[in-house]
Amino acid sequence: EDQVTQSPEALRLQEGESSSLNCSYTVSGLRGLFWYRQDPGKGPEFLFTLYSAGEEKEKERLKATLTKKESFLHITAPKPEDSATYLCAVQDGSEKLVFGKGTKLTVNP
Amino acid sequence: ETGVTQTPRHLVMGMTNKKSLKCEQHLGHNAMYWYKQSAKKPLELMFVYSLEERVENNSVPSRFSPECPNSSHLFLHLHTLQPEDSALYLCASSSQGGKETQYFGPGTRLLVL
Repeated sequence: EDQVTQSPEALRLQEGESSSLNCSYTVSGLRGLFWYRQDPGKGPEFLFTLYSAGEEKEKERLKATLTKKESFLHITAPKPEDSATYLCAVQDGSEKLVFGKGTKLTVNP
Repeated sequence: ETGVTQTPRHLVMGMTNKKSLKCEQHLGHNAMYWYKQSAKKPLELMFVYSLEERVENNSVPSRFSPECPNSSHLFLHLHTLQPEDSALYLCASSSQGGKETQYFGPGTRLLVL
């Protein structure tokens, strides 16, 4: 059975303080690993898809990386507007996405 | 309208009521999904429709009944719900029969009294 574990559950940073979020996974035949951002009361917003170990993608202050067992979402010099819950999900060969519980990020000014 | 839209955004219903949630996607996708999001839990996949056929029913109680009349519209019919069904219900869509990135709507916040 596919499983996704995200850590930490919550993270508080000061503005400008870089850090990383972790997503550990087990899946039978990874087709894709997805990162989403979710603001309170809203639906998840797509950020990145990673398909194979060694792949990296960047968008503004965010950079996602992938190994055979985990993915990291690196946040460089975060701003208060980066505060959100970040969700990781994996997909095998089916239509199903299996999500982790998310990391709630708070960036203080 | 762009992306994935859901109506209503908020819904309060009694346990004996019947209501429906509506989802519409404007992305030209051919797969649609219903998810349930409860506090402190991961998103739970409920139903998947690919090319208008149900391909996944994730052991969801029969008080939830999905309907996909075409590739752009998805409904979730609700009847005799329980208080523990209170949650955020999210709709998503994707292309290529469900094997590409899923894009989510804003969700319907449901409260069952």
